[in-house]
Amino acid sequence: QITLKESGPTLVKPTQTLTLTCTFSGFSLSTSGVSVGWIRQPPGKALEWLALIYWNDDKRYSPSLKSRLTITKDASKKQVVLTMINMDPVDTATYYCALRAEFTSSLEYWGQGTLVTVSS
Amino acid sequence: DIQMTQSPSTLSASVGDRVTITCRASQSITGWLAWYQQKPGKAPKLLIYKASTLQSGVPSRFSGSGSGTEFTLAISSLQPDDFATYYCQQYDSPFTFGPGTKVDIK
Repeated sequence: QITLKESGPTLVKPTQTLTLTCTFSGFSLSTSGVSVGWIRQPPGKALEWLALIYWNDDKRYSPSLKSRLTITKDASKKQVVLTMINMDPVDTATYYCALRAEFTSSLEYWGQGTLVTVSS
Repeated sequence: DIQMTQSPSTLSASVGDRVTITCRASQSITGWLAWYQQKPGKAPKLLIYKASTLQSGVPSRFSGSGSGTEFTLAISSLQPDDFATYYCQQYDSPFTFGPGTKVDIK
């Protein structure tokens, strides 16, 4: 059974750095073709893709947020970590991690999401 | 960057109606398009990938079509469980979501 779960702070102050952890089970991020991504959704708004990390440690970032994002993995711990610097109230959103399965090439399994509020 | 648009933004329909949602890409994405359904407070659910392949377990009333820059999601006979927001997503380079289409009750 594949599961993913996001964890991290629920409240961060403007200008602070956000660190979110995605802990997964049921698959290996060392397996060829596997990747894990982060997606966010501001309240009442659309989904926005943020970053993706592949089994071979290749990384992709949203062009509009690239300068603020870092994605890393620890395959042995079954975790993917997203770091976003210089947080702003507009970054208030539910943050999801998701498994991109090789066969579908789509975000096939999602975590439940974690709401992060940026406020002083 | 590849931009995605969806139309309509909101669709009011009744149970039993056939509904279609259109998704357009700013450049050709071949067939690298997925459709997701999202209900309030829940994570998105993959419905269709590679433009027209139904994800396992998804009812056959859902179908996808298109290639290049124009794609369609159709629901042949709308069911009460289908009232939700639908997003298209290109995964040609590397990911972009559309703005969503909310299907609500007429």
